[in-house]
Amino acid sequence: DADVTQTPRNRITKTGKRIMLECSQTKGHDRMYWYRQDPGLGLRLIYYSFDVKDINKGEISDGYSVSRQAQAKFSLSLESAIPNQTALYFCATGGWGASEADEQFFGPGTRLTVL
Amino acid sequence: QQQVKQSPQSLIVQKGGISIINCAYENTAFDYFPWYQQFPGKGPALLIAIRPDVSEKKEGRFTISFNKSAKQFSLHIMDSQPGDSATYFCAGYTSGTYKYIFGTGTRLKVLA
Repeated sequence: DADVTQTPRNRITKTGKRIMLECSQTKGHDRMYWYRQDPGLGLRLIYYSFDVKDINKGEISDGYSVSRQAQAKFSLSLESAIPNQTALYFCATGGWGASEADEQFFGPGTRLTVL
Repeated sequence: QQQVKQSPQSLIVQKGGISIINCAYENTAFDYFPWYQQFPGKGPALLIAIRPDVSEKKEGRFTISFNKSAKQFSLHIMDSQPGDSATYFCAGYTSGTYKYIFGTGTRLKVLA
């Protein structure tokens, strides 16, 4: 089974709709991240969390919100979707140990299209 | 100052050739420079990484060259294979911040 899973894998929605992207991990990591990937712009950080009570904004958090329901679950919400939020979204985790502290482990991504 | 600039945006190489992707950074607090490899339909995965106390790191056909004074680093893929066709991201990272700054990505295609 995959260590970091994302649901749904693909989503088409309409402008103004509220949607939620979900991320679950079995790696036991405390650190979790949401990124979006756009052609020519690379990976940009939306939000990140170091534990259930710690949520931080990334470089492009406007229009997004997150919820850390448990150590293993981190959800990204678009309160009112707009077309320029069409992108590939990735969840990632990170550990604290010496062998994992500096590595990001990515999920398979969610392709979101906002019409 | 946070930006990591990556070039080229796309690259086509013949099988057996050398693929070279370049990155430049401005933030001197970065102390870890990883490269991530992403295949279509998959999330990025760590390929190779270097710390600024060494000038080169090699793992199989993949080599990172690092120039601290120029604030540049590059990925070299020797004997490139069609299976290397993927998108590659460089990144800068400061230990203890647990946040990466990624480059814009390079789409590599290796022709058979």
